[in-house]
Parts: sequence; C-alpha cells; structure tokens
Amino acid sequence: AQTVTQSQPEMSVQEAETVTLSCTYDTSESDYYLFWYKQPPSRQMILVIRQEAYKQQNATENRFSVNFQKAAKSFSLKISDSQLGDAAMYFCAYSGSNSGYALNFGKGTSLLVTP
Amino acid sequence: DAGVIQSPRHEVTEMGQEVTLRCKPISGHDYLFWYRQTMMRGLELLIYFNNNVPIDDSGMPEDRFSAKMPNASFSTLKIQPSEPRDSAVYFCASSRGYGYTFGSGTRLTVV
Repeated sequence: AQTVTQSQPEMSVQEAETVTLSCTYDTSESDYYLFWYKQPPSRQMILVIRQEAYKQQNATENRFSVNFQKAAKSFSLKISDSQLGDAAMYFCAYSGSNSGYALNFGKGTSLLVTP
Repeated sequence: DAGVIQSPRHEVTEMGQEVTLRCKPISGHDYLFWYRQTMMRGLELLIYFNNNVPIDDSGMPEDRFSAKMPNASFSTLKIQPSEPRDSAVYFCASSRGYGYTFGSGTRLTVV
C-alpha cells in the first residue's frame, strides 16, 4: 500500500512570509497524482493544488506552488506571502490507478499564521 | 451542481443505537468514497464504490459498519450498534478520474 508521510505536525509562519510544508510518499506506480488539501476549522476539505506525476513542471496556483521531486518521492508545498486565512490543517494525498483512485492521506500539518 | 451533500451535519446518539449517515454524490461522478477522520488516526478510507459497486471495504473497522450504494445518486454508511469509539467526522467524497469533491462531513458523537 502507498504511504504518505508528513513529518511536521505543526508549522508557524509570520504574515507575508514564506513557508514550506514537507511530504514524502512511497509507491511502486509510475502513473499517479499528488494533492495538497486545506482543512480550516469549518472542516471543509479544500483542494489547494494538484500535480500529475508524469509532468515534470511543478504545479502553481497563485501563492501556492509545489516542489515535486519524483525520484526522491518528495512533494512539498510552498506558500508565499502568507495570509491569516491560510491558517489551517494541510494534508498531502496520493492517488493512483492501482489503488483504485482512492485518496491516501498523510497525517497533516497544522499551520499557524501570526500577525 | 450543489456539490456532494451529506446529512446530517451533526449526529449525537447513545451507545448501542443504530446510526445512518447519508451521501448524495455529484451527478456524473463514478467513484464514491467514505472516509473517517479522528485526531488519533487522521483520515482513513473506509470503503469505496465504482459505478455503485463496492470495490474495497478493507478499511471498514468491523462488522458493525456497513455501506450501500443502491443507485448512482445515493449512498449510506450505517453503524449498528454504535460505540463511543465511533465518534469521528465522516466524510463522503465523489470523483470522476482524479477530480475529487468532498462533502461537508458528518460529526458523529456517541455517548
């Protein structure tokens, strides 16, 4: 089974600064997708960014970007110009065809944004 | 589309009672997933369906849990009898390919 590891239970960043959240995964598949989800206190699961494994170019969505290192099986999330509204739990997730397209989540990183 | 709709949003029940959680997926999505979220175990996949057929229920914790998908627009997760350790947030999600949409979740408290 694929495993997703987030080694930082908590992170803190000052408003307007940049923070990077780490994620590693283990898989034997060559075709898969990786995701970052944000979960604010409202508990809604919000897709932040998605990366297709066969694409070498790192995905970006406004202030959010990823550093995808396929050989190292690493998928970190960079949040630039952090805002108070970025405070939330962030989950890294993996999905592949061999695992039936089910999302496999890491344990999450709690991000605190300070003024 | 209104998104994935889960009901109820909150449920408080007494130990031993039957609990039924409901989910309406997005029209056109062919996969439906049930997840459970707790502080200790994070987000766990319980079961998923493809075209209304259960594919993998290996995450269902025990026989007290059952799930059905009688048609493409409705699924239920039932716990009978419920126990305090079942207290968690239960999410339903649907997808077509790698495009996933989550419901708002049901917070279940078993006292």
